Amino acid sequence: SYVLTQPPSVSVAPGKTARITCGGDNVGSKRLHWYQQRPGQAPVLVIYFDTDRPSGIPERFSGSNSGNTASLTITGVEAGDEADYYCQVWDLTNDFPVFGGGTKLVVL
Amino acid sequence: EVQLVESGGDLVQPGRSLRLSCSVSGFTFDDYPLTWVRQAPGKGLEWVSFIRSNTYGGKTEYAASVKGRFIISRDDSKNIAYLQMNSLKPEDTAIYYCARQYSSSSFLDYWGRGTLVTVSS
Repeated sequence: SYVLTQPPSVSVAPGKTARITCGGDNVGSKRLHWYQQRPGQAPVLVIYFDTDRPSGIPERFSGSNSGNTASLTITGVEAGDEADYYCQVWDLTNDFPVFGGGTKLVVL
Repeated sequence: EVQLVESGGDLVQPGRSLRLSCSVSGFTFDDYPLTWVRQAPGKGLEWVSFIRSNTYGGKTEYAASVKGRFIISRDDSKNIAYLQMNSLKPEDTAIYYCARQYSSSSFLDYWGRGTLVTVSS
């Protein structure tokens, strides 16, 4: 089945920009989504269809998807952004959702 | 307000069964697919199963790790989805989340808080 690859962790200083990548074979041809999971909480959708933000998600969160890599970018990182982030696509061949392994964002 | 509330998690012995429930409110349940996702302690998210709306035939799918042991169902009259888990194994230990699917093959836009299943003797 389809595989999404994320770095285990990304570190960033407060106020700086964090970029979390999600790699997959021709992932740019798929619609990709991102979830944030703060410690002890349920996942929350932060980006859908590559670039769209649900209501209530700050503009600091943005997404892109092209070629073999998708990215979640968080500008002006805050302490509250420290969380695990997961990318997800739908494996149309096998008809089920696939998650990346997750990336822990550490705010220094 | 859209809400999903899981219940039924418990400590069970290997080989036993358990049924989880996902009670929803704040939207027309029978219009949406429903997905179960689990998270083992310290691990990432793992898709478990989904069930489409009856408009789309109520199709169900299962992850290979649970196929043949778990059964997903929905009762649209009660706004509840179920996950019947049989022949439980220690590796099924996880928090189980139910989530609404925005559409048939897309993203999960609302999640419950999860219910903990522990399989241990």
